[in-house]
Amino acid sequence: GIQVEQSPPDLILQEGANSTLRCNFSDSVNNLQWFHQNPWGQLINLFYIPSGTKQNGRLSATTVATERYSLLYISSSQTTDSGVYFCAVTGGSYIPTFGRGTSLIVHP
Amino acid sequence: GAVVSQHPSRVICKSGTSVKIECRSLDFQATTMFWYRQFPKQSLMLMATSNEGSKATYEQGVEKDKFLINHASLTLSTLTVTSAHPEDSSFYICSASRGAGTEAFFGQGTRLTVV
Repeated sequence: GIQVEQSPPDLILQEGANSTLRCNFSDSVNNLQWFHQNPWGQLINLFYIPSGTKQNGRLSATTVATERYSLLYISSSQTTDSGVYFCAVTGGSYIPTFGRGTSLIVHP
Repeated sequence: GAVVSQHPSRVICKSGTSVKIECRSLDFQATTMFWYRQFPKQSLMLMATSNEGSKATYEQGVEKDKFLINHASLTLSTLTVTSAHPEDSSFYICSASRGAGTEAFFGQGTRLTVV
C-alpha cells in the first residue's frame, strides 16, 4: 500500500510564528486531505487537495502530485492551532492511509 | 460543509457486554463509511470499510465477529463491539464520504472504556 510520511513529528512554536508541515507519499494518489485533531479527538477537515494550492485564512496547502508531496502552511500561529495535524491519502484502492501526524504546540 | 455525528461520545461498559456505536451523516448520503481505532499518541488505524447495502471489508487482523459493522442506509453505519474486553478500550472514530476516493468527513469519536 501507499506509505505516508509526515514531518516534523513534533513542533513547538511561539504564538505568531509561521510553520510548514510536510507530507510525502510513495505512490500516485487521487485524494489527499489535511486534518487537525483537536485535544478532544475531533478531526477537523482543513483541506481536500489532491493537487494545486488552496488557502483558508491563515492556513494554506500545496500538493505537488507529480513529486508526491504536500505542504501545509500555518501563518501567525495561535494557541488554538495546537493539536495534531494529519495528512491522509487515497490511491487506486480507495483505502485511506494516514501519516503519523505532526504534533504542534503553540505557546502564548 | 458536511456533518457526521457519532454517538455516544463516551461509554463505559463491563467486560463481556456489547456496545453499539452509531455514525450518521446528517446532511449528505454516504455510500462509504470507514471505522478507525486510535491508541493514545498514535495515528488512526483503519478497521474496516463499510459500503451501503453490502458487507463490510475488514482490515487484516481485525476480527469481524468481534467488531460487527452494519451500513443499512445511506446515512447510518453502526459498529458493535461484542463481548468487550479491557483491551478493546480505545478511541473509535468513523468517517463518511459520498463515494470512494472523495472527501471524507469525521465523527466526533467515541471513547470506549471496558472495566
